[in-house]
Amino acid sequence: GAGVSQSPRYKVAKRGQDVALRCDPISGHVSLFWYQQALGQGPEFLTYFQNEAQLDKSGLPSDRFFAERPEGSVSTLKIQRTQQEDSAVYLCASSTRPLKEAFFGQGTRLTVV
Amino acid sequence: DQQVKQNSPSLSVQEGRISILNCDYTNSMFDYFLWYKKYPAEGPTFLISISSIKDKNEDGRFTVFLNKSAKHLSLHIVPSQPGDSAVYFCAAPRGGSQGNLIFGKGTKLSVKP
Repeated sequence: GAGVSQSPRYKVAKRGQDVALRCDPISGHVSLFWYQQALGQGPEFLTYFQNEAQLDKSGLPSDRFFAERPEGSVSTLKIQRTQQEDSAVYLCASSTRPLKEAFFGQGTRLTVV
Repeated sequence: DQQVKQNSPSLSVQEGRISILNCDYTNSMFDYFLWYKKYPAEGPTFLISISSIKDKNEDGRFTVFLNKSAKHLSLHIVPSQPGDSAVYFCAAPRGGSQGNLIFGKGTKLSVKP
């Protein structure tokens, strides 16, 4: 596609539910990033993939958060046993290579009730 | 520890006038800075960047100025247009990849006709 695509756009989960958020990066983009943006804040880095390798997961807030990119294209961010503090917009970004500016998707707004 | 700071949450200017958005940083090792623009319900879009070896970069109506001694950068938009109304984020790359970014909290710009 022309841009980074994320689905679903909106997700409401009951506390304790597991959720899976999908990111389709721009075709051919090697690097893929996940960010979390809380209300009134800037995006905060979660994790980074180069092709299928997860090179940095230092931003994942807890072991309930897990990301994968098994074939080096589509990525999934999974959150287990969701908590209210997980409510945020989750942004995916991709770039052609490291040291190149990243293109962001529209984000998935997760609301945990 | 907020390494990239945008201390003004909002700014309102008249159409045709200059908009100046400010950003301060604490880490003198940052070698690149970026500005992103974000409309509601959309992901951030890259606007303009500047290398730390420069003090100015211009692209059309947008100019970014960097003052390394003050650890301060600013984005100038002139003339401002109503379509420039958005949230503007200042960001700097963490480590070697421009995709793994540290963002400020953003400044909401409103340009009034």
